[in-house]
Amino acid sequence: DIQMTQSPSTLSASVGDSVTITCRASQRISTWLAWYQQKPGKAPKLLIHKASTLESGVPSRFSGSGSGTEFTLTISSLQPDDFATYYCQQYNSYYTFGQGTKVEIK
Amino acid sequence: QVQLQESGPGLMKPSETLSLTCSVSGGSISGNYWSWIRQPSGKGLEWIGYIYYTGSVFYNASLKSRVTISVDTSKNQFSLRLNAVTAADTAMYYCARGGGSYYPNDYWGQGTLVTVSS
Repeated sequence: DIQMTQSPSTLSASVGDSVTITCRASQRISTWLAWYQQKPGKAPKLLIHKASTLESGVPSRFSGSGSGTEFTLTISSLQPDDFATYYCQQYNSYYTFGQGTKVEIK
Repeated sequence: QVQLQESGPGLMKPSETLSLTCSVSGGSISGNYWSWIRQPSGKGLEWIGYIYYTGSVFYNASLKSRVTISVDTSKNQFSLRLNAVTAADTAMYYCARGGGSYYPNDYWGQGTLVTVSS
């Protein structure tokens, strides 16, 4: 099974900050990596697929990069609506999710 | 716009069988993979399994012995059965479109809370 290790688990930041979340796969997954945003009481929302392709309607301040085993999600200039929990997911071999990163207000 | 809606019992007793159905509207169930994912309160997401519209299924190894996912293309629905539930199966259960290699989950249901308690 492919394990996904996401860091940090919690991130404190202010509006306007740039933040980066890292996801590491236990084996190479090419670019079969997605990022989701989840707000309390809501289903996850797909932000990025294929490691760096933004879903339609997702603001351009979100960006993803990486391939193989190391991936990052960057949010440039955090907005109030961005405080949420973010998950990575590999879909190279079945599915595995990272543990999640909560982005909270500093 | 594809929409998914989970339905099923909210409260169950230990050892019972959980049955959930996901109804798909705004698009056909054919041609796609469909997933079940769960999330215990305050915890992360756990993939349960996914099914292709043809009926090919793939399960999380940790749940495989207790899980059955099926599809009914005539009703545009797919279903989850989880046997011998325990308190550890208490979670929000989501259905979503996506599965197989190459397809993440782009559409999700709102989720249904299942509580297992004696």
